[in-house]
Amino acid sequence: RKEVEQDPGPFNVPEGATVAFNCTYSNSASQSFFWYRQDCRKEPKLLMSVYSSGNEDGRFTAQLNRASQYISLLIRDSKLSDSATYLCVVNIGSQGNLIFGKGTKLSVKP
Amino acid sequence: GAGVSQTPSNKVTEKGKYVELRCDPISGHTALYWYRQSLGQGPEFLIYFQGTGAADDSGLPNDRFFAVRPEGSVSTLKIQRTERGDSAVYLCASSLGPNQGYTFGSGTRLTVV
Repeated sequence: RKEVEQDPGPFNVPEGATVAFNCTYSNSASQSFFWYRQDCRKEPKLLMSVYSSGNEDGRFTAQLNRASQYISLLIRDSKLSDSATYLCVVNIGSQGNLIFGKGTKLSVKP
Repeated sequence: GAGVSQTPSNKVTEKGKYVELRCDPISGHTALYWYRQSLGQGPEFLIYFQGTGAADDSGLPNDRFFAVRPEGSVSTLKIQRTERGDSAVYLCASSLGPNQGYTFGSGTRLTVV
């Protein structure tokens, strides 16, 4: 079983739609959680950290369920510019190296 | 510098040759990471430096891969006897420390022909 698993995608949605990405992780010792965004042929960029209480940044909401080892990202009112691959990321222990999922590709159409 | 700088941006080499990939992290970032990413996959961890020492090199695939960070700033990833399967984008990232989000460089696209 992979350490971080994500929805396979791709997700093709119209502008203005709400879209949700899900992710599960296998190591219960995971301590930190993130969503990264990666545009085609570009490097990954930190979108947001994920906290146990859930957190929101504008149109983006991230949730963490430690009991189920599940992370989600909700994008409301999607824009064309949201088209990218979204990577679910966890940190295990104190060493700092992050484990990335394969990513889910989102394509927002006019 | 303002961001993580990686050179070269592209490298084409023949099978069996030796290559060096350079990473210049954000000034003051003590943690430095190397990842590689193949098409359609997420970044795969290779090695992590805290200061000058390799804190975790468990992701290096075999002994053809080696990385150094002699002064705790710039790092070089070295690949000996390159194979076609080494072709990928090699990403470097730095952070202020463990459990912090990373800042990635734009990567080196390595093609072994």
